Amino acid sequence: KAGVTQTPRYLIKTRGQQVTLSCSPISGHRSVSWYQQTPGQGLQFLFEYFSETQRNKGNFPGRFSGRQFSNSRSEMNVSTLELGDSALYLCASSFLPGQGASEKLFFGSGTQLSVL
Amino acid sequence: AQTVTQSQPEMSVQEAETVTLSCTYDTSESNYYLFWYKQPPSRQMILVIRQEAYKQQNATENRFSVNFQKAAKSFSLKISDSQLGDTAMYFCACNANTGNQFYFGTGTSLTVIP
Repeated sequence: KAGVTQTPRYLIKTRGQQVTLSCSPISGHRSVSWYQQTPGQGLQFLFEYFSETQRNKGNFPGRFSGRQFSNSRSEMNVSTLELGDSALYLCASSFLPGQGASEKLFFGSGTQLSVL
Repeated sequence: AQTVTQSQPEMSVQEAETVTLSCTYDTSESNYYLFWYKQPPSRQMILVIRQEAYKQQNATENRFSVNFQKAAKSFSLKISDSQLGDTAMYFCACNANTGNQFYFGTGTSLTVIP
């Protein structure tokens, strides 16, 4: 069974551009969450999607958005990139929302975004 | 909301020795889960151990065990017989009925010295 797949692994953009990151959850998983990881800040929750609906959103500006497709694949978009958006973006999946805690949350290897 | 604090940015331990990583948390919820995740250079987060707050018994997973002090809101991870493969970043996390929104600490970078 394939794990959580994130593409691309690395991305370099310049300030003001926009970027789209992709995440394919484990087959059968319907909940997808996104986290931003920066040195010294740890992981911070961006949002969670289930059945194509955003269930929960973290404390990030509106430049950060996401969506989920009918096959559970998810994308996140960051518009008008800033230097501070440089980070590792991690995607995680579970069969149902909340099962990441009661069961297990499966993470991908992330997309490393560098904003120049 | 919940907060998680890891006060040890870096630690090192000799191979085969024991090391303890510290974590404190704060939540107003009565029912919650606590976790330790490991992040090796591959960047993929790996669940090390999980503790349910209502369980008084400390969780153990082979060489990994926790010391869960609910009143003190402390959740430390003990790694016994440290191995080179334990070298990684370790994150403490809390989840209290918030779907898959976990609250993570800032991490402790552990190096196992041969």
